[in-house]
Amino acid sequence: EAQVTQNPRYLITVTGKKLTVTCSQNMNHEYMSWYRQDPGLGLRQIYYSMNVEVTDKGDVPEGYKVSRKEKRNFPLILESPSPNQTSLYFCASSFRPGGLTQYFGPGTRLTVL
Amino acid sequence: GEDVEQSLFLSVREGDSSVINCTYTDSSSTYLYWYKQEPGAGLQLLTYIFSNMDMKQDQRLTVLLNKKDKHLSLRIADTQTGDSAIYFCAEIAGNMLTFGGGTRLMVKP
Repeated sequence: EAQVTQNPRYLITVTGKKLTVTCSQNMNHEYMSWYRQDPGLGLRQIYYSMNVEVTDKGDVPEGYKVSRKEKRNFPLILESPSPNQTSLYFCASSFRPGGLTQYFGPGTRLTVL
Repeated sequence: GEDVEQSLFLSVREGDSSVINCTYTDSSSTYLYWYKQEPGAGLQLLTYIFSNMDMKQDQRLTVLLNKKDKHLSLRIADTQTGDSAIYFCAEIAGNMLTFGGGTRLMVKP
């Protein structure tokens, strides 16, 4: 089954404690991206990757890091989380940006206390 | 990124038509999209329109595109309670997909 998986689905943490949210896709997609969703603001892109070892900043990259060492995985790293990073995070993948076969993960709800 | 704007909320009665509007900013967008997000779920691509089209119909869904005004709309005919969700329009700008803030559609029985 074609899918994008994210882990964990829910996470409560404290300010400053490094965390990683994993994202994996099984469709051999080149393009992967991370979004955060906040009420009234829609989805805002954090980072995206056109292919292995190629990553670029989206609209709201501050406080986040990503890596793309393998095609299937695109982890999101928060080195020192802060309360304003409390949000719902989505990973997505497709063959190209905005592709008609874009798949979204189920979301990770992060709370930073 | 560019700003894509939508109204926040729409309430309709079951069986009525719903029209969700969106304004976008990048005239070079090749595709414009509508996504649906049901409660507790990720986003699902609902429909799309290519920028050289004015209208696209897909069963109960009609997408209208006015490139001059950079206005996109989604019409849902015979709206059902199962259509209750948040609807996002999105455009491609460069290599980034930019979303509107989402319109929450509430369907009353």
